[in-house]
Amino acid sequence: SQQGEEDPQALSIQEGENATMNCSYKTSINNLQWYRQNSGRGLVHLILIRSNEREKHSGRLRVTLDTSKKSSSLLITASRAADTASYFCATDEGTGGFKTIFGAGTRLFVKA
Amino acid sequence: DAGITQSPRYKITETGRQVTLMCHQTWSHSYMFWYRQDLGHGLRLIYYSAAADITDKGEVPDGYVVSRSKTENFPLTLESATRSQTSVYFCASSDSRLGNQPQHFGDGTRLSIL
Repeated sequence: SQQGEEDPQALSIQEGENATMNCSYKTSINNLQWYRQNSGRGLVHLILIRSNEREKHSGRLRVTLDTSKKSSSLLITASRAADTASYFCATDEGTGGFKTIFGAGTRLFVKA
Repeated sequence: DAGITQSPRYKITETGRQVTLMCHQTWSHSYMFWYRQDLGHGLRLIYYSAAADITDKGEVPDGYVVSRSKTENFPLTLESATRSQTSVYFCASSDSRLGNQPQHFGDGTRLSIL
């Protein structure tokens, strides 16, 4: 069963626009991570946000976390064609259990 | 270069055959993982290992066997391949058993079972 579920499933935007992807999860968490996957490649870690953090930035990436709504969002500002990829959120079990659970991902297509 | 390498990148085999997918990491991470990625399911954990000779089941372990005799290697074996095991398989490693450290992924093995 999936803990994190991304929304939308697919997103198509023009270069220069902002892209926002959302992740909802079901149980309490300690940490939430976002990953990117380019076609034919493995997942690459983007950013980790802890349950006591509300917002985190890394370059053009901004991640927010709302534990009361059990949701997170990933904002990519000034998108580029190279941002075309699938984006996944991953959560851990809040009980200290081991599993990191990945959602099904959002496919982002940035048109040049 | 430090990293995680999977081999082969592509494999075609027939039902009933045994297949072994290899994974090698150079970071000396304690934890290693095997996932399968299928459309609509995201990544699902098959097995993981906390250290050499310590392995445990994930979400979808049936039909798979793992071993970890050395920290850097974590092979995944399909003992008798079935068509439902056609998938892309990813190996990952991490420094922590908790979700407070990133996982580092290989580029996957695309496995087709005819």
